[in-house]
Amino acid sequence: GQNIDQPTEMTATEGAIVQINCTYQTSGFNGLFWYQQHAGEAPTFLSYNVLDGLEEKGRFSSFLSRSKGYSYLLLKELQMKDSASYLCAVRDSNYQLIWGAGTKLIIKP
Amino acid sequence: TAGITQAPTSQILAAGRSMTLRCTQDMRHNAMYWYRQDLGLGLRLIHYSNTAGTTGKGEVPDGYSVSRANTDDFPLTLASAVPSQTSVYFCASRAGQGDTGELFFGEGSRLTVL
Repeated sequence: GQNIDQPTEMTATEGAIVQINCTYQTSGFNGLFWYQQHAGEAPTFLSYNVLDGLEEKGRFSSFLSRSKGYSYLLLKELQMKDSASYLCAVRDSNYQLIWGAGTKLIIKP
Repeated sequence: TAGITQAPTSQILAAGRSMTLRCTQDMRHNAMYWYRQDLGLGLRLIHYSNTAGTTGKGEVPDGYSVSRANTDDFPLTLASAVPSQTSVYFCASRAGQGDTGELFFGEGSRLTVL
């Protein structure tokens, strides 16, 4: 079966750095996505990785290792507004998205 | 730009009643999707449409139907609601071939079936 694993919840301190991991087992691979979802709101796109390596976008970076079936989202200089759920999704060989259950990130002052 | 608009925002529905969730986008995107989101689970695809006039079944299509008469609208119908269909429903769109696959989501419709 296809599976996306990510931690259910993480806590971090304002101004610090946090890494949210995502491991996947899917039928083929055609890209990995990270989305941010604030409570009661719609998911919004953060990043897309299709090749191995690190993609940096401001305070957020996303890393992919296809051989390990592994990705992480790195958030630097955490702000209170970063409190949200972070969703990992993989596009499989049929170009269908398989979603993880999301990681709820709690930022403390 | 409005992006994707869903209606209603929330609804309480008696079991056995029918309901249509509306979704309209103004980005001229080819592909549209309906997902449901339940606590502790990832987004699950109900139905999708790659272009106007075509639809397909997702992971959890039973009890739901869709139509795609034009590019902008993609309504989701529950013919006879059951309590297990209590969920938050998200409509999403994607530009189409050649894009990265980024999805644009509506604000969601919270449905409670009693």
